[in-house]
Order: sequence, then C-alpha cells, then structure tokens
Amino acid sequence: GENVEQHPSTLSVQEGDSAVIKCTYSDSASNYFPWYKQELGKRPQLIIDIRSNVGEKKDQRIAVTLNKTAKHFSLHITETQPEDSAVYFCAAGLTGGGNKLTFGTGTQLKVEL
Amino acid sequence: DTGVSQDPRHKITKRGQNVTFRCDPISEHNRLYWYRQTLGQGPEFLTYFQNEAQLEKSRLLSDRFSAERPKGSFSTLEIQRTEQGDSAMYLCASSTRGNTDTQYFGPGTRLTVL
Repeated sequence: GENVEQHPSTLSVQEGDSAVIKCTYSDSASNYFPWYKQELGKRPQLIIDIRSNVGEKKDQRIAVTLNKTAKHFSLHITETQPEDSAVYFCAAGLTGGGNKLTFGTGTQLKVEL
Repeated sequence: DTGVSQDPRHKITKRGQNVTFRCDPISEHNRLYWYRQTLGQGPEFLTYFQNEAQLEKSRLLSDRFSAERPKGSFSTLEIQRTEQGDSAMYLCASSTRGNTDTQYFGPGTRLTVL
C-alpha cells in the first residue's frame, strides 16, 4: 500500500519568513495530494491540494509543488503569520479508486513573533 | 452548520464495553470515510462508503469494528469489547465523487478506554 513520509516533524520560523514542508510517497499510482491544517483540538481543514496533471498550484501565500518522477511534493508558506501556527499534514490518494487518503505524520509549525 | 457533524464529541468507557459513534456527512455527499487518529500521528484510513455500500476496509479494522451507512446518509461506527488500544480520535469525512474529491472532516469523537 501507499506510504507517505513527511519532514520536518517540527519547524520554527520567524514571522514573515517562509516555511517549507516536504513529503514523499511510494505508490506511483497516487494522483491526488491534499494538505490539511489542524489546530489543537480541531478538525483537519484542507488548505490546498494538487493533482498529478499539474506541477504547481498557488493560493495567496500558500503554494504546493509536485514532482511525479521523484514522487515528492512540498508545501510552501510565504510571509508566515502567527495564525499559521498549527500541525500540517500531507496526504496522498487515488481519485477514481475511492480516494482513501494516506497521511504523513505531520509537521508542527510554530511562527514566532 | 452545514459541515460534517459527529456525535458524541467525547466518549469515556471501560474496557470490554461496546461503543457506537455517529457521523452525519455534508448533505448530498455520496462518499463517507472513517479515519482514526492517535496523538502525534496523521489520520489512518479505516473504511469508506459510496452511498450505502461499504467498498473498502483497512486491515486496521478488526472484527470488533463494524460500520454501517444504511440509507446512504449518516453512518455509525461500532466498536465491540473495547480495548485500551482503541483510545483515539475517530474522524469522519465526506466527499462528492467527481472532479474535486475533496474530503471534508468532522470534529471527531475522542474515545478514551479506561
């Protein structure tokens, strides 16, 4: 089955700096890669996703890149703000095949003032 | 609130007891997923439904676990003879089969087995 590895496990940045979180996946059939943000005690919330037919996607301060050949994808957050502090999870799935998601182990992002 | 809802939000039970959780998906979402999340880990897939049909179950779902979605709307997850290792957050998500496939999560049910 699919295996997703995520790093770093913790990331501390200064407000205004950029943050990058990286994930690798094992199943070349996976074609859907969402990123979720989870604040303490809250539900995971989708922040951005990318499908295998594109290499990059941006939404304001957030961007995701995908390298299908290397089977890795990354989340980039620019101009970080304190409210970006949370745990971020990457995931991989196969649309059209039920799309069960396999999640990474999460990155605790802390944005310091 | 038109999002995914789950009930109860918290459940404390003694080892050996049975528990049942309920998930109400977003209206008209035909896919419903159950995941389990333990502290410091990402959600792990348990099972999913398309309408009322349970199409896939994880090996994590032992014989003590059963899930239903009888009318293709809400779903229940039952754990029989609970064990301390069952303590976790049980998350439900729903999506619409189609181009987006985005899964929207509920707030979860936190189970503590004493």
